[in-house]
Formats: sequence, structure tokens, C-alpha cells
Amino acid sequence: EPEVTQTPSHQVTQMGQEVILRCVPISNHLYFYWYRQILGQKVEFLVSFYNNEISEKSEIFDDQFSVERPDGSNFTLKIRSTKLEDSAMYFCASTPSTSGKTGELFFGEGSRLTVL
Amino acid sequence: KQEVTQIPAALSVPEGENLVLNCSFTDSAIYNLQWFRQDPGKGLTSLLLIQSSQREQTSGRLNASLDKSSGRSTLYIAASQPGDSATYLCAVVTSGSRLTFGEGTQLTVNP
Repeated sequence: EPEVTQTPSHQVTQMGQEVILRCVPISNHLYFYWYRQILGQKVEFLVSFYNNEISEKSEIFDDQFSVERPDGSNFTLKIRSTKLEDSAMYFCASTPSTSGKTGELFFGEGSRLTVL
Repeated sequence: KQEVTQIPAALSVPEGENLVLNCSFTDSAIYNLQWFRQDPGKGLTSLLLIQSSQREQTSGRLNASLDKSSGRSTLYIAASQPGDSATYLCAVVTSGSRLTFGEGTQLTVNP
């Protein structure tokens, strides 16, 4: 069964370092997302991406964050200068829906980021 | 701003029991509602998706209902098993493309 894959599963970094989290969405899906979950808190929306551009972003997604689809399969989240509060589980998701409103979302296993 | 609340926060039941998990949302103008399962330290597994025009969806021992006007959804799990132990999350799409999640219900099914 097709699935969303994420790498790395766990990354430890020093504060101020750049981090890139990678995702391979399901191949025929068109809308891609990043969400995050700080330990013990709700899952929060970061950004959605469609047709090679950001469709929507949350207040969390500031200038330190960026997303990219560098080729036909990968979807990346870059954090330019990590802060302690960026420590969280980051989830990539995708849907075959072209509107992003009505489709079922499929999530990856997550990348745990620990900032020291 | 959409707020999603799930009750109870935690639930412990003996194996074989039927149970109901509750989800409520403050803005009834939703496009869809999705129930997920999350095992500790793992990703989110989609269980059921209910579009705004639908009243319920069923998959195996799971049945989810949606009452948009009252801002409520329930997830019914029949004949619970220890393997059902996990956190169950409810999420809605209200505007744009983002899912707004509840805090989840942590379910423990005891053998």
C-alpha cells in the first residue's frame, strides 16, 4: 500500500543550525502538508503546498521556515536557524484532492527534531 | 477561529466493550472531519473521513457520525480489543486547506 515516507526519523541538532526534513508523498497526490506536534500538545498545521507554491501557511510558519519540491518526488521542510522551541515531531502529509479541502490526508511516520 | 475538543481525554475499558469517543468543534462550517489513530511515538493513521454532506461512515468495527449543525462527531468502536489501544484524534477542515486537531482521547483496552 502506498505510503508517505519521511527522513530522518530522528535528528538532533544544535541551536542555530539549519535542518532539512525530507518527505516523499504518495506518488499520485497533489497537495502536500507539514504539521508538527510538540510533546504533549496538539498536532498543529504549518503549511500546505500545491502546484509548486505555498497554498496556505500558519502563524508558526515564519521566515525561519521554507518548503520546497526540488524534484518530482521529494518535498522538504527547511528550518534556517533552529531554536529550542522547534523541538517537536514533524509530520508530512499528502492528499489526492486538488482543493485540499475535501480529501483524506495520509500522514508519514514523522521526523523527531531535538534542538539542544 | 476553529476549536476542536475531545472528551474524554483518557478512557480505560475491558476487552470486548463497545465505546464512544466524542469530538466537538466550534465552527460548524466545515468541509470534512477526519478521525485518526496515533500510536506512541508514531505517525497518524487515517481511520475515517466524513464529508460535510455525509452523516456517517463505517469501516469494520468503527463507525463515525457527524452532526454538523451541533458541531459534534462521535467515533463508535465495537467489541474493543487490546490492539485498539492508542490515541484517537479528531480533526476538521474549516477554511483553506488546514486540519485543526483536537487534543485526542487516549484509549486503553485491558485484556
